[in-house]
This record gives sequence, structure tokens and C-alpha cells, in this order.
Amino acid sequence: AQSVAQPEDQVNVAEGNPLTVKCTYSVSGNPYLFWYVQYPNRGLQFLLKYITGDNLVKGSYGFEAEFNKSQTSFHLKKPSALVSDSALYFCAVRDKGGNNRLAFGKGNQVVVIP
Amino acid sequence: SQTIHQWPATLVQPVGSPLSLECTVEGTSNPNLYWYRQAAGRGLQLLFYSVGIGQISSEVPQNLSASRPQDRQFILSSKKLLLSDSGFYLCAWSSSNYGYTFGSGTRLTVV
Repeated sequence: AQSVAQPEDQVNVAEGNPLTVKCTYSVSGNPYLFWYVQYPNRGLQFLLKYITGDNLVKGSYGFEAEFNKSQTSFHLKKPSALVSDSALYFCAVRDKGGNNRLAFGKGNQVVVIP
Repeated sequence: SQTIHQWPATLVQPVGSPLSLECTVEGTSNPNLYWYRQAAGRGLQLLFYSVGIGQISSEVPQNLSASRPQDRQFILSSKKLLLSDSGFYLCAWSSSNYGYTFGSGTRLTVV
């Protein structure tokens, strides 16, 4: 089955510093990869996706992610973190079972320190 | 544009009472629809998904059921709630870009 792993429970970063949230994937075939963000007591919001094409994908709110096939990774990055980026971040991969089901990672809590 | 509505936002129900959470989608037709539960503010557990009216697939055996009486309506139900049913319930639909759009969620507390 397709799966993603988010190895860190929490990422702390100072405001203005680069932010990286890690995600590795395990798939058969070409992966369809996604990042979502969740603020407290809210639904998940789409940030960006990789389907095909350029390995560097740009998304919402200044985030980007780099698809690395050799390392089976899809890390989320932002050059300069804001306090408002503090949230829960989910990596996801489209399940091969079809019906557009997504398999989500466990989530990463990002804390941006003023 | 497509929108998804989920209600209520919060719900406090006694153990043994029934449950009905509703989700509707606007601006699209024949969407794939999903119910997720999120416990303790972290991981997402897929409960049910539907590819069409009356078609429900259950991912996890439990005290809950789902129905899709109309193309853009997805309902999560229970006849008798358990304490363990407490959590944050999210509805989502998928579009042709392979991703999901989520509703704003329902915080259910069973007391």
C-alpha cells in the first residue's frame, strides 16, 4: 500500500529562519504527493501537490516542496518562517486503491518562536 | 466555485444518544466523498468513502455508519454514541486534480 512517513512529531523554528518539514514516501509506480496545513479546530487546507513535472513545487503562503525520487522524499520548505505558520502539517500520497483516496502521514506540529 | 459545508461545528452528546453529522458539496457533480476522524489533534483515520449515491465503503468497523442519499450529500450517523466516538470529524471531497477539499470539521464530545 502507498504510505508516507513524517519522522518528526514537532518542529521548532525561530521566526525568520528557514522551515523544513520532512516527509518520505513509499509507493509502487509514480507518486502523487500532497501537503496540507491544519490550524486549531479547523479543516485541512491544501498547500501544494506534486503530480509530474518540475521537482520543485511552489504552493500557497510561500511554501514549496522538493520531490526527490532517489531519496523518496517530499520535504516541505519555507525560506523565512512566520509566527502565523505555527500549525499542524500533513503529508499525503494518493492511494493506489483508486477512488482518489489519500493516505496521510501522522502530522507534524510546527511551532514558530517569535 | 466548489464549496463544502459541514455542520454542526461543535456537538456535545450524552452516551447512548444518536448522532447525525451532515456534509454537502456545491459546485461539482458526482464527487468522491470521505469521512475522517481525527483523535487527539493528530492523525487522520478514514472512516467511510463514497463514489456515488448509495455507495458506501467502510474502512474501519465501528459504531458509526454513513449514507449518501443525494449526489452531494454525505451523512455520518450513529444509533448509540460511545465515549470513544469523541473526536474531530472531517468531511472531504476529491476533485479531478487528485487532491481533497476539506470541510471545517465537527468537534464531537460524548459525555
